[in-house]
Amino acid sequence: DAGVIQSPRHEVTEMGQEVTLRCKPISGHDYLFWYRQTMMRGLELLIYFNNNVPIDDSGMPEDRFSAKMPNASFSTLKIQPSEPRDSAVYFCASSFPGILNTEAFFGQGTRLTVV
Amino acid sequence: DQQVKQNSPSLSVQEGRISILNCDYTNSMFDYFLWYKKYPAEGPTFLISISSIKDKNEDGRFTVFLNKSAKHLSLHIVPSQPGDSAVYFCAAATNSGYALNFGKGTSLLVTP
Repeated sequence: DAGVIQSPRHEVTEMGQEVTLRCKPISGHDYLFWYRQTMMRGLELLIYFNNNVPIDDSGMPEDRFSAKMPNASFSTLKIQPSEPRDSAVYFCASSFPGILNTEAFFGQGTRLTVV
Repeated sequence: DQQVKQNSPSLSVQEGRISILNCDYTNSMFDYFLWYKKYPAEGPTFLISISSIKDKNEDGRFTVFLNKSAKHLSLHIVPSQPGDSAVYFCAAATNSGYALNFGKGTSLLVTP
């Protein structure tokens, strides 16, 4: 398997524009997570899905953020409208938790810059 | 509120010596604890984990110790190598949600 695949790797957009980040989880993984990394807050969980169903979106900063998982192999994180404070690295991760492990596999991230 | 805390933003160690990275947590419901390693421009990669039923887990040069009463865990790297230079994240999860709660990370620099 190629691992978790995120696109694009880098995104530069103007304030007010819509941004869509994409993620393809590892095949067979039934959990998908979206994280955001900033200097101030470190790695923070935004939302996660189990079997394509959103389980906890309490980490989503505000209504400008939305995430979908239309099928087991694809998820999107959308920011509309984007603001400069949304600039961060966004990571997608997937996992197939067992009794003894909860290891999540991360993609390489999307570096978002909002100017 | 940060449930997983890594109070040392950075650590510098000489090659061959021991690196000790510390992590504290506040949620007594956490059952699993993991360490991730992150190089620049890459995603975090899993390093080692420990279940709350254990107090030690070892994998080669890496050992994680868990002290549940103190809500503290640590990662020991012996001997440290320059390739270990990276940001190390401590993470924790309950057995009901599986979402990982991360600390802010500790940047380890191993000097030759």
